[in-house]
Parts: sequence; structure tokens; C-alpha cells
Amino acid sequence: DARVTQTPRHKVTEMGQEVTMRCQPILGHNTVFWYRQTMMQGLELLAYFRNRAPLDDSGMPKDRFSAEMPDATLATLKIQPSEPRDSAVYFCASGLSGDSYEQYFGPGTRLTVT
Amino acid sequence: KQEVTQIPAALSVPEGENLVLNCSFTDSAIYNLQWFRQDPGKGLTSLLLIQSSQREQTSGRLNASLDKSSGRSTLYIAASQPGDSATYLCASSGSARQLTFGSGTQLTVLP
Repeated sequence: DARVTQTPRHKVTEMGQEVTMRCQPILGHNTVFWYRQTMMQGLELLAYFRNRAPLDDSGMPKDRFSAEMPDATLATLKIQPSEPRDSAVYFCASGLSGDSYEQYFGPGTRLTVT
Repeated sequence: KQEVTQIPAALSVPEGENLVLNCSFTDSAIYNLQWFRQDPGKGLTSLLLIQSSQREQTSGRLNASLDKSSGRSTLYIAASQPGDSATYLCASSGSARQLTFGSGTQLTVLP
């Protein structure tokens, strides 16, 4: 049963601390997306990669957020330093470039910054 | 910039009713349109994907239609059940396949 996995599922941290979220895309998928969901803004795209290369990260606050794909099986989203306004659920999704390009979502990381 | 709107924001129906959820988008140059379901505190489950060249897709009691010229998509749920209660999100896919989401319709099916 192929699925996107994300760790940790929940994270509570204090303002100013570094937070790293990890995503394992479905094996064989070549595109990875990071989204953030809040009550006020809904779901927003933060960044995405194709074949491990970053295509667009314009949705991220550049000064504190960074996204990488060290290899085809791991994507990371890092926040340093974290702020209370970063509290949200962060979703990773993967897909395969082709005709349908359907995206499959992970369970999300619920981040609370106090 | 693509904007996706979903109406209504919330809907409550008795079990057994057929219902329609609406989604509209401002830029008709979409690659595909995807409907998702989200249960409280959970991730997103893909329900149906309609490619830009298609008019509709069906899966069980669900039918999604797409009219690019008018910038609209609908999700039809037949014979609704309490287990259908969830938030339904539509999302349009842009040129780089990134998704732009609507704010969702929260559906409650009453037993």
C-alpha cells in the first residue's frame, strides 16, 4: 500500500527553536510539494520539487524557511527560527509527472509554536 | 493568479439525499482539477481527478464534472450517507502542476 509518510506527526516547540519536518514520497514519484494549512488561509503551496530540483519556493518566507530533497526518498522542510505564526499543519504531497499528475497527500505534521 | 471558490461553505442534509458541491476558478488554463476529502484532524484523500480534456469522472456514488469555459466544477454525491460527512476541497492544477485550493465545503449528513 504505497503512501506518503511524514514525520513527526505532531511537534510542539518554543519560539526561536529550529523545526525540521520530513517527508518520504511514494516510491517512483518524481514531484514533491509542500503545503501549509491554517484556519485563516486554508491550504497554501510553500514549495515544490521535480526530480529533486526546486522549481518554486515563492510561497515560503525565505528568511526562515528552507526546503530540500537530499535524495529521491526524502524531502525536508526546515524553519529556523520558528515563530508562533508558523503554527499550522504542514502537508507533503507527491506525484508522477505524466498525463494525470494526481497528487497524493501525507497525513501532515501538526506544528505548534508557543 | 488563480483563485478557487467553493460554495456553500457548509451544508447539512438528511441521509439519502443527493447533493451538489460547487467549485469555481478564475483562470481557465488549468491542467486538471482534483476533488479531495478531508476528515477532521486528518490528511487529504483524493476522490476524483478530471483532466482538462475531460468533462467528467465517476467513482461509485461520486460524479465530478468540469466546464473549463465557465470556470466551474461540481461534485455530485448520490444517496448521501453519514459516513460522507467531511470537508470537501477542490483544487485546480496549474502549468507546473501545483495545486490551488478552494476553502472547502463542510458537509454534514444527518442520520
